[in-house]
Formats: sequence, C-alpha cells, structure tokens
Amino acid sequence: GQNIDQPTEMTATEGAIVQINCTYQTSGFNGLFWYQQHAGEAPTFLSYNVLDGLEEKGRFSSFLSRSKGYSYLLLKELQMKDSASYLCAAVDSNYQLIWGAGTKLIIKP
Amino acid sequence: GAVVSQHPSWVICKSGTSVKIECRSLDFQATTMFWYRQFPKQSLMLMATSNEGSKATYEQGVEKDKFLINHASLTLSTLTVTSAHPEDSSFYICSARSLAGDYNEQFFGPGTRLTVL
Repeated sequence: GQNIDQPTEMTATEGAIVQINCTYQTSGFNGLFWYQQHAGEAPTFLSYNVLDGLEEKGRFSSFLSRSKGYSYLLLKELQMKDSASYLCAAVDSNYQLIWGAGTKLIIKP
Repeated sequence: GAVVSQHPSWVICKSGTSVKIECRSLDFQATTMFWYRQFPKQSLMLMATSNEGSKATYEQGVEKDKFLINHASLTLSTLTVTSAHPEDSSFYICSARSLAGDYNEQFFGPGTRLTVL
C-alpha cells in the first residue's frame, strides 16, 4: 500500500531551527510536495522536490532522498507566524498526491 | 500565480437540504480538479477527482450519489452535497491542476466550511 509518515506534532522556539521529517512509500514516484496550512485555511505551496538534494528558498529548505524514501522540511529563524501544520505529499505513478496526516508545529516565544 | 476560488466560503444549512459548492480556476485552465474534505485536526482526505467532460472518480467509501460532482468546463467544477446531515459538516477544499506548468502542482481554493444543523 501507499503510505506517508510524518510526526504528529513538534514544538520549537522562536528564532530557532526545526526539521520536519517525512518518509514515503508509493507505487511509483514523481516528486514530493510540502504545503503549509494555517488553522481554518487551505494549504499553500512551499516546495517541490523530484531530484535528490536540498532546495533552498529563503528561510525554508526541502531535502529529498529518493533511495531512502525520505524528505525533510527545514525552517530557519522561526517566527511566530510559522505556527501551522506542515503537510508532506508524494506524487505517485498516476500523478495523484498521497498526503501525510500533517505535522502541527508549535512555536513558543 | 494560479488562483482558485471557492464559493461560498461558509454555509450553514438544515439537515436534509442540498448544498452546492463551486470551484473556479480564475487565471488558468484546469485539466483536473480535486475535492477534499478535512475534519478538525485531521489531514486532507481526497473525496474525488474530476476531469473536464467526464465522470468523476470517487475514492473508496465516498458515496457518489450523495456527493455529486460536475466538471462542466476547464475552469469550473461543482460539488453538491445532497440531503446533508450533521456528519457532513466539514471543511471542503478543492484544488486544480493546470494544463501547463512544470510539474503536477495542485492549486488550492480557500475552502468552504459547511455546517449542517
């Protein structure tokens, strides 16, 4: 079967760095997305990785290892507004998104 | 960037009535639109995938006669919740996949919060 695993909840301090991990098992693989979702709102796009390696975009970076079925989202210089759920989604062979349950990130002052 | 709108943003209805939710891609043509449901503190659950001009593909456990989907054009898909009941109260989100673009990103609408009394 297809499966995405990510931690349910994480807590970090304002100004610090946090890494949210995601492991996936899919039938075929055509890339992996990270989305941010604030409570009561729809998800917004953060990153897309299809090749191995690190993609940096401002304070956010995303890493992918296809051989390990593993990705992480790295958030630097955390701000209170970064408190949200972070959703990992892998694209399978049919180009459908397989969603993780999301990681709720709590930022403390 | 690609913009997807949903209407209404929120709706409250009585049990037994039907509710229609519209999803529009405003500045691009969408080959495929997706309808998701999200209960509080849970992740997105894909309900169905609709392609313009063809019948929607429903996920296992989703009643196609209860959740009617019409994808009449490349910019509009509608979800009708028929004979809504309190257990249908949820956050309904649509997303659209563009004809163009470098990858298969889904652009999300803002969501519709449905409350059935």
